[in-house]
Order: sequence, then structure tokens, then C-alpha cells
Amino acid sequence: KQEVTQIPAALSVPEGENLVLNCSFTDSAIYNLQWFRQDPGKGLTSLLLIQSSQREQTSGRLNASLDKSSGRSTLYIAASQPGDSATYLCAVNPASGGSYIPTFGRGTSLIVHP
Amino acid sequence: ETGVTQTPRHLVMGMTNKKSLKCEQHLGHNAMYWYKQSAKKPLELMFVYSLEERVENNSVPSRFSPECPNSSHLFLHLHTLQPEDSALYLCASSQQGAYGYTFGSGTRLTVV
Repeated sequence: KQEVTQIPAALSVPEGENLVLNCSFTDSAIYNLQWFRQDPGKGLTSLLLIQSSQREQTSGRLNASLDKSSGRSTLYIAASQPGDSATYLCAVNPASGGSYIPTFGRGTSLIVHP
Repeated sequence: ETGVTQTPRHLVMGMTNKKSLKCEQHLGHNAMYWYKQSAKKPLELMFVYSLEERVENNSVPSRFSPECPNSSHLFLHLHTLQPEDSALYLCASSQQGAYGYTFGSGTRLTVV
């Protein structure tokens, strides 16, 4: 059974810092991995999707990497801003073959203070 | 707007009421999901439909009843709920996970 762990569970940093959020998974037979952002009481907003054949994806100040063999993904946030404050979740989608139910981590709660 | 629309955004209901949550997607996806998110708890998968057939029922109490009349619509029928059912209910859709998952904004349910 796939297990997804996100470290740290919570993070508080001053504005301007570069951040790394970690996501690890136990079964490397994945189809893709997706990073989400969730603001309090809101739905999940997709940030980046990395297919299993890819090593990284970038969007603006965000960069996500994937090392499937070691079961790890990182989300790098450059020059953090107070507006980045949210919970960040990673979801691992199992390899194709009929299964399309993602496994989510518990998230990293990020606070960026001015 | 993500392409997945949930209504209503907020719902307050008594324990004896019957209500329904609605989810609609026009992304051409063929799988739809209901998740429950309670305060300070992780996402809990409730139901999964693929090609309009239920493929996962994650030990959800019978007071929650899903319905998927077509690939674009998903409902969650609620009856005789308990206060502990108060939570954020999220709907998601995907093309069987191939291109990730798209979530709606959620329905905040309060049972009084």
C-alpha cells in the first residue's frame, strides 16, 4: 500500500526566503505526482504535475523535482511571499493498469510572515 | 474557476433534513471523486466513479448516498447526518489520473 509522507508538517519563515518542501512515497511504481496548494476552507489548487518520465517541472517561482527511484519529490519556492502562506499537499497517482485513486500526504502548513 | 463547480458553497442542515451536494465538470474527464476534509485532518476519500460506475466506496456510512447520472455530474445525497459529519466536502475529477486531478472549491457543511 502506497504511503506518502510530507516533511515538515509546518513551516514558518520570513518573507524572501527560498523554501524546500519534501514529499516521499514508499512505492516507486507511480504514474505521476501532483503538488497542490490549499488555502483555509478552500478547495485544492493544482500547482505542478510531474509525469513519471519527467525529472522536474517549473511554474514561475515554483519548481518541483521528482526522483522516482528514491521515492522523493521536492517543491522549491523561490523568494517566498506572504501570499504563499497556505497548506501544500502532494498526491501520488499509482501506475496505470486500472487504478486511478491518488494517495495524498498530510500536507505542509506554510506561513510566510512580512 | 477550475472547471469543477460545486454547489452550494455553504450548507447548514439539521440532523433530520435531507439535502444534496452537486458537482459538475466540463473538462471531459471520465472519473469523479468525493472527498471529506474535517478540521485539522487529512483528506478522506469517500467515493470514486469511473465511467459513471462506482469503483470505490471507502466504508462510508449509508447516510451518504452518491449518484453519478452522467460523466459530467456527481451528487452526494445527505440524510439524517450527525454533527461529526460537519466538514468541507470536495469534489474532484480526472481523466483516470493521467493528467492529474482537478478539484472544486468545496461545500462547507455544518450539521446542527
